[in-house]
Amino acid sequence: DIQMTQSPSSLSASVGDRLTITCRASQDIDNYLAWYQQKPGKPPKLLIHAASGLQSGVPSRFSGSGSGTQFTLTITSLQPEDVATYFCQKFDTAPFTFGPGTKVDIK
Amino acid sequence: EVQLVESGGGFVQPGRSLRLSCVASGFAFEEFGMHWVRQRPGKGLEWVSGISWNSDTIDYEDSVKGRFTVSRDNAKRSLYLEIHSLTTEDTAFYFCAKDVTGFFGYFDSWGQGTLVAVSS
Repeated sequence: DIQMTQSPSSLSASVGDRLTITCRASQDIDNYLAWYQQKPGKPPKLLIHAASGLQSGVPSRFSGSGSGTQFTLTITSLQPEDVATYFCQKFDTAPFTFGPGTKVDIK
Repeated sequence: EVQLVESGGGFVQPGRSLRLSCVASGFAFEEFGMHWVRQRPGKGLEWVSGISWNSDTIDYEDSVKGRFTVSRDNAKRSLYLEIHSLTTEDTAFYFCAKDVTGFFGYFDSWGQGTLVAVSS
C-alpha cells in the first residue's frame, strides 16, 4: 500500500505569516490528493481537492500544489482561526490513506 | 444543507459487537458513495471502509477486513458499520463521510462522529 507522510509534524507561527506544509506519497498518485482541516473537537473539513482545487467556501489564503509524489498546502497569511491540524489524503485507489497530520498553532 | 448524523457508539466490552448508523439529509443520498473514517483519541485519521452508491463496490482497510461490515439502505438514507470481536484498538471516534462521486473519490462532508469505547 502507498504510504503518506507529512512535514513538519507541528509548527508555530505568527499571525500574517506564510506557511507551507508538505505531503509525500510513497508512489505516484498523480493529483489524487486532498487536504483537510480539523479543529479540536470537530470533524475534518475539506479544503483542497485534486491537489490544487479550492473547495467552495474556503478562504483564498489556502492553496495547494503538486502532483505525483510531492504536494504542498500553503496558507499565505495565517489567521487565528487557522489553528488546527491539517491532513492530506490520497484518493486514487483504496485504501484512502491519510497523512499523519500537521498541527498548526499561533506563537 | 448536507447533514450526517452518526449514532450507535458507546461503552462496550471486548469481544462484543456493535452497529453504527449514519443518517443523511440535505442531498441525494442514493447517488453518492459513503465512507467510515475513525480517529483514535489524540491520533490521526484512519479510513476504515467505503461503499458505492449502489453497494456494488465495497472496500475495507486491511486491518479491519473480516471484522467490519459496511452496508447502506438508500430508502432509509442510512449508512451502517457493523463491528465484530471488538478490541481496545477499536476505541475511537467513528465518522461517516460523503464522497463527491457515486463511487470513491474525496470526502466533501463529514458527520460529527460517534465514540466507541472498548473496555472491560
